[in-house]
Amino acid sequence: SAVISQKPSRDICQRGTSLTIQCQVDSQVTMMFWYRQQPGQSLTLIATANQGSEATYESGFVIDKFPISRPNLTFSTLTVSNLSPEDSSIYLCSAAAGGGGGTQYFGPGTRLTVL
Amino acid sequence: QKEVEQDPGPLSVPEGAIVSLNCTYSNSAFQYFMWYRQYSRKGPELLMYTYSSGNKEDGRFTAQVDKSSKYISLFIRDSQPSDSATYLCAMSSLIQGAQKLVFGQGTRLTINP
Repeated sequence: SAVISQKPSRDICQRGTSLTIQCQVDSQVTMMFWYRQQPGQSLTLIATANQGSEATYESGFVIDKFPISRPNLTFSTLTVSNLSPEDSSIYLCSAAAGGGGGTQYFGPGTRLTVL
Repeated sequence: QKEVEQDPGPLSVPEGAIVSLNCTYSNSAFQYFMWYRQYSRKGPELLMYTYSSGNKEDGRFTAQVDKSSKYISLFIRDSQPSDSATYLCAMSSLIQGAQKLVFGQGTRLTINP
């Protein structure tokens, strides 16, 4: 299994600013993903972070609001831009386990509060 | 209709009880079925992973998949207070070259000593 770390673990931000979340995997992985988990809710996929190409966004999520970088096979960042209180949530990154089975390993999450 | 339906609970049982957690789904394209456990303020942790219909056992945990009924279950035997967590079912299908997960809402489980 992959070990995934995220920074920061939590942050409080002002409306209109941006937050960049870093995700580091302890081994090279092909697929990385970013999710949002709103309070008391399940996980919603934001985008797939592709190494060497643009991220693939799910319906309802756009690059201008959630730019993603994936410079190599172990690291990715998610920026949440132009923050509003509605962006207050937990943001999780994950890495696919490989083998084609779809299992993913998750980081501990970043808890974002927007004032 | 959501692709994956899961009773959010909360579910509270005494220590030692057998717990049954369930999900139904509507998308026949789902190929792989997973259960994740999420403790408060932590990321989801993969518990069980199955592909075919039938049962898969791992210690006190048994995952069951019935593709004909589009129904999956997780059974926990001899439940312990440390099993108290939110349990999420997840299913994957191949979309645009990637296996993408769809999660259920999660069931909050409390095991009372």
